[in-house]
Amino acid sequence: SQQGEEDPQALSIQEGENATMNCSYKTSINNLQWYRQNSGRGLVHLILIRSNEREKHSGRLRVTLDTSKKSSSLLITASRAADTASYFCAGGVNSGGYQKVTFGTGTKLQVIP
Amino acid sequence: NAGVTQTPKFQVLKTGQSMTLQCAQDMNHNSMYWYRQDPGMGLRLIYYSASEGTTDKGEVPNGYNVSRLNKREFSLRLESAAPSQTSVYFCASRDREDNSPLHFGNGTRLTVT
Repeated sequence: SQQGEEDPQALSIQEGENATMNCSYKTSINNLQWYRQNSGRGLVHLILIRSNEREKHSGRLRVTLDTSKKSSSLLITASRAADTASYFCAGGVNSGGYQKVTFGTGTKLQVIP
Repeated sequence: NAGVTQTPKFQVLKTGQSMTLQCAQDMNHNSMYWYRQDPGMGLRLIYYSASEGTTDKGEVPNGYNVSRLNKREFSLRLESAAPSQTSVYFCASRDREDNSPLHFGNGTRLTVT
């Protein structure tokens, strides 16, 4: 079963615009992670936000987490053509010494030059 | 640093054939994982190894076996391939089980005819 569901499934924007992707999850989590996947490549970790944090920044990335609504958002500001990729959220849940990380189905972002 | 290295990159099998997917990491990580990625389904965990000498089933383990050969290497074996195992397989590793990101290889694209 998927932990996260991203919205929208696909997003097309002009270079320079901001891109916002949303993630909803089902069960309580210890952290929420965002990954990027370029076509034909593995996933690359972008940012991790812990369950006791509400907002986190990294360069042009801003992530928010609302545990009461079981939702997170990823904002990419001033998008570039190189940001074209699929973006996945993943929930980390601690369980008996192991942290299970379950991925959503992803948002495909296209940034048009 | 090479990070996580997977071999082969591509493989075509006939139904019933067997093969082993290889994965090695050079980051001295304790935990290693095998995921499969299918269109519209995100990534699903097949098996994981929280430390050298231990392995556990993930979400979709049927039809697969794994070996944690040493701290660096974690292999995935298909004993009798089926068309339903056509997928892209990703190996990942991470330093520890709490709030640390996953590092992915570039995947093995497997087709079973």
